[in-house]
Amino acid sequence: SQQGEEDPQALSIQEGENATMNCSYKTSINNLQWYRQNSGRGLVHLILIRSNEREKHSGRLRVTLDTSKKSSSLLITASRAADTASYFCATGTAGGSYIPTFGRGTSLIVHP
Amino acid sequence: DTGVSQNPRHKITKRGQNVTFRCDPISEHNRLYWYRQTLGQGPEFLTYFQNEAQLEKSRLLSDRFSAERPKGSFSTLEIQRTEQGDSAMYLCASSLASGVSTQETQYFGPGTRLLVL
Repeated sequence: SQQGEEDPQALSIQEGENATMNCSYKTSINNLQWYRQNSGRGLVHLILIRSNEREKHSGRLRVTLDTSKKSSSLLITASRAADTASYFCATGTAGGSYIPTFGRGTSLIVHP
Repeated sequence: DTGVSQNPRHKITKRGQNVTFRCDPISEHNRLYWYRQTLGQGPEFLTYFQNEAQLEKSRLLSDRFSAERPKGSFSTLEIQRTEQGDSAMYLCASSLASGVSTQETQYFGPGTRLLVL
């Protein structure tokens, strides 16, 4: 299994600003996923990027993947107070046993 | 599609007691995962099922933990002789995997928060 590690651990911004979170991992992957978790709740899947993709967009989310640096970034543009949450990356490899491994997450606070 | 549900949402128990949690996955999903999450950490994998078969277990899953998915639908996670260190959020997720799939997205339930006194 792989391990994604997010940084920064905590991020505090004003509404309307952009938020960038990074994820680093250690070994080769087939895909990387980003999840959001509101306080005390389950995780919500945001976006999946495959290892042969470099960038992907979904609404205000932009994810990049650099397999040479074993890193990914999640950009949230024009942030809103409702984006306040913890964000996790999860990496997975090929094969029947798909067991994504999560990092500790980035805690994002967006001040209204 | 009502999503993944978990019951109970909260459980307080005394050390040494047994507890059982239930997870109802999205109906057509064949894979079901259990995770444990403590404060400030990401989810840690415990075990997963494909249909009714338990295919993998983490070393985190001690002998006191057992999981079942008897008919390939809902699953239960039992913790026997609970310890204070078992206090955590227990998350269930389901996904639809076909063949050798590397693209599956997991859908998480709201979790069961366990407090062992």
